Amino acid sequence: GAGVSQTPSNKVTEKGKYVELRCDPISGHTALYWYRQSLGQGPEFLIYFQGTGAADDSGLPNDRFFAVRPEGSVSTLKIQRTERGDSAVYLCASSAEGMEADTQYFGPGTRLTVL
Amino acid sequence: ILNVEQSPQSLHVQEGDSTNFTCSFPSSNFYALHWYRWETAKSPEALFVMTLNGDEKKKGRISATLNTKEGYSYLYIKGSQPEDSATYLCAFISSPSGSARQLTFGSGTQLTVLP
Repeated sequence: GAGVSQTPSNKVTEKGKYVELRCDPISGHTALYWYRQSLGQGPEFLIYFQGTGAADDSGLPNDRFFAVRPEGSVSTLKIQRTERGDSAVYLCASSAEGMEADTQYFGPGTRLTVL
Repeated sequence: ILNVEQSPQSLHVQEGDSTNFTCSFPSSNFYALHWYRWETAKSPEALFVMTLNGDEKKKGRISATLNTKEGYSYLYIKGSQPEDSATYLCAFISSPSGSARQLTFGSGTQLTVLP
């Protein structure tokens, strides 16, 4: 079956611009996660959705970052007034029910470059 | 702040060699440990989810062990092949508080298998 997909695969933008990154989870998965990987580091947690609601947004670095999942399926990560430090690979994952031992299935990521 | 350490940071081995690497994590409040393999330009691939002290998991030539009391997990690859070349990531989940489901990743071990 289809895995997690993310679009675009690459995004180049200028400092100060607004960007949206999209995630399509595995069909039927209720839990969705966003992570960010900066060069030389492991992925870092941003936000977790259970259904339509953000159950844990403690990893969002500041109020320029926002994510939605209005129908409990597709999610969009929105970054306002981008900064060069936002350049990273943004990964999305989904799991069946959001239990701690559930496998989180990852998409291929969106590589964001802020010039 | 949870600290997950992986060693070595990178590793080069010859085809046919067996190898292993380490993931260290906080021994208190352990809930689950995940191992992923991440090849360049692909999605991170789930290898194992481990929850019990003394757990051993195996998938083909790859196996993993878990010691929750001392806070470490080993990943073993027997008879390495060039297609095993990837970054191997471990990720830790602590005892749930509220809705926390975030994975805390190490920075990975980059394995290169030389033909």
